[in-house]
Amino acid sequence: RKEVEQDPGPFNVPEGATVAFNCTYSNSASQSFFWYRQDCRKEPKLLMSVYSSGNEDGRFTAQLNRASQYISLLIRDSKLSDSATYLCVVNFNNDMRFGAGTRLTVKP
Amino acid sequence: GAVVSQHPSWVICKSGTSVKIECRSLDFQATTMFWYRQFPKQSLMLMATSNEGSKATYEQGVEKDKFLINHASLTLSTLTVTSAHPEDSSFYICSARSGVSNYGYTFGSGTRLTVV
Repeated sequence: RKEVEQDPGPFNVPEGATVAFNCTYSNSASQSFFWYRQDCRKEPKLLMSVYSSGNEDGRFTAQLNRASQYISLLIRDSKLSDSATYLCVVNFNNDMRFGAGTRLTVKP
Repeated sequence: GAVVSQHPSWVICKSGTSVKIECRSLDFQATTMFWYRQFPKQSLMLMATSNEGSKATYEQGVEKDKFLINHASLTLSTLTVTSAHPEDSSFYICSARSGVSNYGYTFGSGTRLTVV
């Protein structure tokens, strides 16, 4: 079993759609969780951290369920500029493990 | 915010030559830096963890004699791909944390290596 598993995608959605990505992790002692965004041929950039209480940043909402070892990212009112690969990242003792990423394409 | 500078951005080299990639933390001291490799349409794979003043810790399957890592100062880590072969062609990315928190990590802009 992979340490971090994500929806394989790709997700192709129209502008304005709501889309959700899921991620599961295997290490129950993982300490912190993040969603990163990676554009083609670029470095990953931090989108948001994920907290147990859930957190929201504009159109983006992240949720963490420690009991189920599950993380999610919800994007509302998708924009063309949201097209990218979204990486789920799990940290244990400063060892960051990346999911394979889920590719999102938002179409006009 | 924290900035990590990585260069070169891209490099083409001949088989058998060595290539050095630099990763610098510009406005903070990075006690730990990480080197990743990413093949097309795949996730980032951690190659090694670089600690200032000590030997790097390599992930299983990564040849330490082929991928030489030096972290001689708190702001600079280098990765040297020795005797490069076409199968080493990949996107290499470094990241760093300041040692203050685990608030996500800052990545360099990556180096696209093509070995011909």
